[in-house]
Amino acid sequence: DARVTQTPRHKVTEMGQEVTMRCQPILGHNTVFWYRQTMMQGLELLAYFRNRAPLDDSGMPKDRFSAEMPDATLATLKIQPSEPRDSAVYFCASGKRQGSLNTEAFFGQGTRLTVV
Amino acid sequence: AQKVTQAQTEISVVEKEDVTLDCVYETRDTTYYLFWYKQPPSGELVFLIRRNSFDEQNEISGRYSWNFQKSTSSFNFTITASQVVDSAVYFCALSFTQGGSEKLVFGKGTKLTVNP
Repeated sequence: DARVTQTPRHKVTEMGQEVTMRCQPILGHNTVFWYRQTMMQGLELLAYFRNRAPLDDSGMPKDRFSAEMPDATLATLKIQPSEPRDSAVYFCASGKRQGSLNTEAFFGQGTRLTVV
Repeated sequence: AQKVTQAQTEISVVEKEDVTLDCVYETRDTTYYLFWYKQPPSGELVFLIRRNSFDEQNEISGRYSWNFQKSTSSFNFTITASQVVDSAVYFCALSFTQGGSEKLVFGKGTKLTVNP
């Protein structure tokens, strides 16, 4: 049963520390989305990759957030330095874009980040 | 603006009742996709359905049905004979292509509680 795998599932860290969240997309998928979910803002799109290339990171605070795909099996989202307002659930989703058909995005279980 | 509005924040029903979750979207594109996702208490986001803007046929899958009406920019979701296991937050989402990238924009969600 193919699924998107995110690690860690939970992370508590102190303000100022670096946080790295990892995502393993479903094998064969060529798109990756990163989302942040909070009670106030709901689900916010942070970044979008297709064929490992970052096509959109307009939703990401550029000064402290970065997203990469070192290879097709790994996507990372890094926060440095972390702040309490970064506390949220971070979701990764992957899908297969074929031609002009937009992706059915399948989500991982999320990383619950708490910055104290 | 391209956005999704789910006006019902919370709905509570008794088991076996039918319930309809409303979704209204705004887009200036002629080609777009609409989605519904379910987020149960465990937190993961479960893909339910994707429809493209050229296919207004209603769809039924078991107890779930979807009504897509372009004339009113709505994509409503009905659960027939609701069950306790249907209790979750349901998200409607709009997907479109912008500047070579894909955007998947979510509504704020409707929390459905099905009571025994």
